[in-house]
Amino acid sequence: TQLLEQSPQFLSIQEGENLTVYCNSSSVFSSLQWYRQEPGEGPVLLVTVVTGGEVKKLKRLTFQFGDARKDSSLHITAAQPGDTGLYLCAGVGGSNYKLTFGKGTLLTVNP
Amino acid sequence: DAGVIQSPRHEVTEMGQEVTLRCKPISGHNSLFWYRQTMMRGLELLIYFNNNVPIDDSGMPEDRFSAKMPNASFSTLKIQPSEPRDSAVYFCASNKAGGPSGELFFGEGSRLTVL
Repeated sequence: TQLLEQSPQFLSIQEGENLTVYCNSSSVFSSLQWYRQEPGEGPVLLVTVVTGGEVKKLKRLTFQFGDARKDSSLHITAAQPGDTGLYLCAGVGGSNYKLTFGKGTLLTVNP
Repeated sequence: DAGVIQSPRHEVTEMGQEVTLRCKPISGHNSLFWYRQTMMRGLELLIYFNNNVPIDDSGMPEDRFSAKMPNASFSTLKIQPSEPRDSAVYFCASNKAGGPSGELFFGEGSRLTVL
C-alpha cells in the first residue's frame, strides 16, 4: 500500500502570513494532485503535477513536485480567509493506477 | 453544467437499518467512484465503475456494502445492515478519464450517522 503523509495535520494562521504544507511518501508517484475541500463540500482539484521538479503556480499558490517524485509541497503567499479548507494530496503510483489520498492538512486563516 | 449530485445530504439511522445512498454523475462522464471519508482513515476508495461496469470493488469493507450502476446516470451504494462504525461522509465522484487516476469531480457528499 502506498501511503501519503501530509504535514502539518492542522495549521491556524493570521491573514497575510505565508505557509507551506507538505505531502511525503516513500513511494514514487507518476503524478500527484492537490485538492481543496471546504466544509460541507467535496474536494475540488487545484493542480496536477507530473514531472519531477515541476513547479506550478495558481495565483498565490505554488505547487512543487519533488525531483524523485516522492513528495510535494504547497506554498501559499499572503494567506486569506478564503484559503481556509482541507488541503488533500493524492498520488498515482507507478504500478498502482489508483489515486491514493493523504489525510490532509486542515488550514484555518483568521481575519 | 450540473455537477455530481448526491442524495441524501444527511442521513441518521439506527443500527441494523438499511441505508441507500444515491448518485447522479456528470453527464458524459464514463467513470464513477464511491469514496468514504473519516477523520481516522481519510478518503478511501470503495468501488469504481467504468461504463456502468464495476471494475474494482476491493475497497468495499464487507458484504454489508453493495453498489450498483444500472445506467450511465445513476448509481447507488447500499449498506445492509448498517453499523455505528459505518458513520462517515460518503462521496460519489466521476470523470471522463476511464480510470481512477484522472481528475475527479466530487459531489457534496452524504453524511451518514448510524446510532
